[in-house]
Amino acid sequence: DGGITQSPKYLFRKEGQNVTLSCEQNLNHDAMYWYRQDPGQGLRLIYYSQIVNDFQKGDIAEGYSVSREKKESFPLTVTSAQKNPTAFYLCASSIWQGEGYTFGSGTRLTVV
Amino acid sequence: AQRVTQPEKLLSVFKGAPVELKCNYSYSGSPELFWYVQYSRQRLQLLLRHISRESIKGFTADLNKGETSFHLKKPFAQEEDSAMYYCALSDGNQFYFGTGTSLTVIP
Repeated sequence: DGGITQSPKYLFRKEGQNVTLSCEQNLNHDAMYWYRQDPGQGLRLIYYSQIVNDFQKGDIAEGYSVSREKKESFPLTVTSAQKNPTAFYLCASSIWQGEGYTFGSGTRLTVV
Repeated sequence: AQRVTQPEKLLSVFKGAPVELKCNYSYSGSPELFWYVQYSRQRLQLLLRHISRESIKGFTADLNKGETSFHLKKPFAQEEDSAMYYCALSDGNQFYFGTGTSLTVIP
């Protein structure tokens, strides 16, 4: 079955450490996205990528980095510069930007 | 298991007609439910959350625990409502999205 896989589901990080969240899709989608969700709020866009080797900052990119070396993969690194990293992170993909999303099930990151 | 079901992939209504986008969920606890909207070539936006009981752009959605539904309604559709609508559920740990309903409002 085609879909998006995010791993791990739960992640714990010590303060000052970088951590990378995985997002893989086998849908042959061009565009991929990373969102963050905090309790009581909607999703906020961190980064997105429309094609391989290209990505754009979203609304809250500070403290995050991404890469898009392969069409299938769009890993997100939460760096130590991110002041409040504890959140739920959701990855999504679409055929092309703005035309229907498929969502992963998310990764909950907790900084301890 | 499918947590969120949006049975209609495509929905067309005439301008001024009432519109209802269906969303059913399966979850035994007390979920948090959302509607998101994506206008053509724009980013995904939060439309409303059931806990806030707001009315955004004339849309409302009532959580019906008996029917496990969270249908989105608007009494009079406008052309600018044409968009992709996603129902989503959060159990506090994970997010589950429906497959989306593409709404077209015919002038």
